[in-house]
Amino acid sequence: AQSVTQLDSHVSVSEGTPVLLRCNYSSSYSPSLFWYVQHPNKGLQLLLKYTSAATLVKGINGFEAEFKKSETSFHLTKPSAHMSDAAEYFCVVSDGYGGATNKLIFGTGTLLAVQP
Amino acid sequence: DAGVTQSPTHLIKTRGQQVTLRCSPKSGHDTVCWYQQALGQGPQFIFQYYEEEERQRGNFPDRFSGHQFPNYSSELNVNALLLGDSALYLCASSRLAEMNTGELFFGEGSRLTVL
Repeated sequence: AQSVTQLDSHVSVSEGTPVLLRCNYSSSYSPSLFWYVQHPNKGLQLLLKYTSAATLVKGINGFEAEFKKSETSFHLTKPSAHMSDAAEYFCVVSDGYGGATNKLIFGTGTLLAVQP
Repeated sequence: DAGVTQSPTHLIKTRGQQVTLRCSPKSGHDTVCWYQQALGQGPQFIFQYYEEEERQRGNFPDRFSGHQFPNYSSELNVNALLLGDSALYLCASSRLAEMNTGELFFGEGSRLTVL
């Protein structure tokens, strides 16, 4: 069965410092992995996705993630945090082989706080 | 271009009642799915509708049912409400032809409180 584990429920950083949100996955085949962001009172938005192409994936708003098969990890990073990055971030794995499914399995989320 | 819209945004029900939540997909999308997000948790897949039929279902009881209309809009119905059904219900849409991208477009959700 597919699953993801987000290692931190809360992360707090200062504006201008790097962001690291950690995610480990479990999959019986090569997974399709995603990061979604949820701002307060807003819908979930796709940040980036990995679907077995390049292992370093670039997303919107300066975020990127690296797929590491040997570590079964898909950590999300950003070089410099902005106040507008404060939100909840979800690591997600697709439950379908090749990603051909709408059944996404979400982690429990990491709440990112950005201090001025 | 309107995104995914859901109604109502908030509602309060009592145990045993029934509720209907509504969703209009993003323009051009033909597939709708529903997720339940309990407080402090990630969303959980309820089911997916395409061509007015339920195509996939998550681990939810039969009290949860849905419908998709010819214009691709959808309803989620929950019968015999329990306190544990209190959650944010999210609708998401996509195009079946692009389903292998894994990208879903989410609405802002309907927050259901069961008293």
